[in-house]
Amino acid sequence: LAKTTQPISMDSYEGQEVNITCSHNNIATNDYITWYQQFPSQGPRFIIQGYKTKVTNEVASLFIPADRKSSTLSLPRVSLSDTAVYYCLVGVLSGGYNKLIFGAGTRLAVHP
Amino acid sequence: EPEVTQTPSHQVTQMGQEVILRCVPISNHLYFYWYRQILGQKVEFLVSFYNNEISEKSEIFDDQFSVERPDGSNFTLKIRSTKLEDSAMYFCASKGGQANTGELFFGEGSRLTVL
Repeated sequence: LAKTTQPISMDSYEGQEVNITCSHNNIATNDYITWYQQFPSQGPRFIIQGYKTKVTNEVASLFIPADRKSSTLSLPRVSLSDTAVYYCLVGVLSGGYNKLIFGAGTRLAVHP
Repeated sequence: EPEVTQTPSHQVTQMGQEVILRCVPISNHLYFYWYRQILGQKVEFLVSFYNNEISEKSEIFDDQFSVERPDGSNFTLKIRSTKLEDSAMYFCASKGGQANTGELFFGEGSRLTVL
C-alpha cells in the first residue's frame, strides 16, 4: 500500500482558499486517491476521489499531476465549519477489497 | 439521507469482559468495515467484510476480535476479552456495490472504555 505524507497542521482564515498537498511517491497503477474529512468525535466523511487530472464536486477540487506522485485538495472559501482533520488515502478500490488506510491527516484550523 | 447507525454510543466495561458493538449499515450496501481510533490518534483499519466473509483484516484484528452479519441488517464486532488498550472509538462503515469507489459511509462511532 502506498504511504502518504501530509502536513501535520495548517491555519487559514475565513473566505480564503486552502490547498492541502499529499505526497504518495510509490502510488501503484491501480491506486485511487481519496480524501476524507473528520470532525472531533465523528466518523470520517468522504470528500472527493480521483485517479488522475482534476476532479471537482460541490465542496472541493482535487488536482493530480501526470505522475500521480502527489495530489492537492483545494477547499474554496473556507469557513469556520471547515475546521477539521483532512485525510489523504491511496489504495485499490476493486470491489470490496478497498482496505483504505488512514494516515495521520492534516489538522486544518480556520480562524475568523 | 440514509446513514450508518451504531450502538451503543458509549460502553464502559471491565477488562476481560466480552463486548459486542452493533452497526446497521445502509440497507443496499454490500461491503462493510470496522475501523477504530484511539483518542488523539489516527483512524486504524480493522476488518472488511463482503459476501458473509472477511475480505481483509489488519494485524490488530487478532483472535480476540470477530465480526458477524447475523440477520442481513446488523453487522457486529465482538471483542472476546477486552484489554485496556482496546479503549477507543470504533467506527463501522459501509459501501455500495460500485466497484471503483472509495466512498465509505461511516457511522458516528461507539466509544469503548475498558477499565
